[in-house]
Amino acid sequence: GAGVSQTPSNKVTEKGKYVELRCDPISGHTALYWYRQSLGQGPEFLIYFQGTGAADDSGLPNDRFFAVRPEGSVSTLKIQRTERGDSAVYLCASSLGLAGVREQYFGPGTRLTVT
Amino acid sequence: DAKTTQPNSMESNEEEPVHLPCNHSTISGTDYIHWYRQLPSQGPEYVIHGLTSNVNNRMASLAIAEDRKSSTLILHRATLRDAAVYYCSPVDFNKFYFGSGTKLNVKP
Repeated sequence: GAGVSQTPSNKVTEKGKYVELRCDPISGHTALYWYRQSLGQGPEFLIYFQGTGAADDSGLPNDRFFAVRPEGSVSTLKIQRTERGDSAVYLCASSLGLAGVREQYFGPGTRLTVT
Repeated sequence: DAKTTQPNSMESNEEEPVHLPCNHSTISGTDYIHWYRQLPSQGPEYVIHGLTSNVNNRMASLAIAEDRKSSTLILHRATLRDAAVYYCSPVDFNKFYFGSGTKLNVKP
């Protein structure tokens, strides 16, 4: 079956611009996670959705970052007033059930470059 | 926050077993321990996870210490396709914590 997909695969934007990154989870997966990964580092937790609600957004670095999942399926990560330090690979993952109980399936990521 | 300590790199010969260690001394009693691996330019791939007991699946085995402060991922016969960065990831409440991982090199 189809795995987790993310679009776009690459995004180049200028400092100060607004960007949206999209994640399509595996059908039926209630849990959805966003991570940020810098070169040479492991993924860094940003936010966790259970259904439509953000169950834990404590990893969002500041108020420029926001994520939604209005129908409990597709999710969008939104970054306002981008900064060069936001450049990273943004990963999305989904799983059945509650956090940790089941395995996560990751998408290929979106590489964001802020110039 | 949960924290992990893993060797930066390890090397193995093809078709030999590999034991990848991880210390997670701050783990709580209800935190699952997951392992993922990642190839360059790809998202992480699930390997195995457990809570208290040792676990086996078609990819690997997971040995969890009795005090749960460490675990070991065991690849029974390493292949060239197992070369990747391996992350142990304790789940701290809702959050998966990933450290810097262990880069496994498999020699033919």
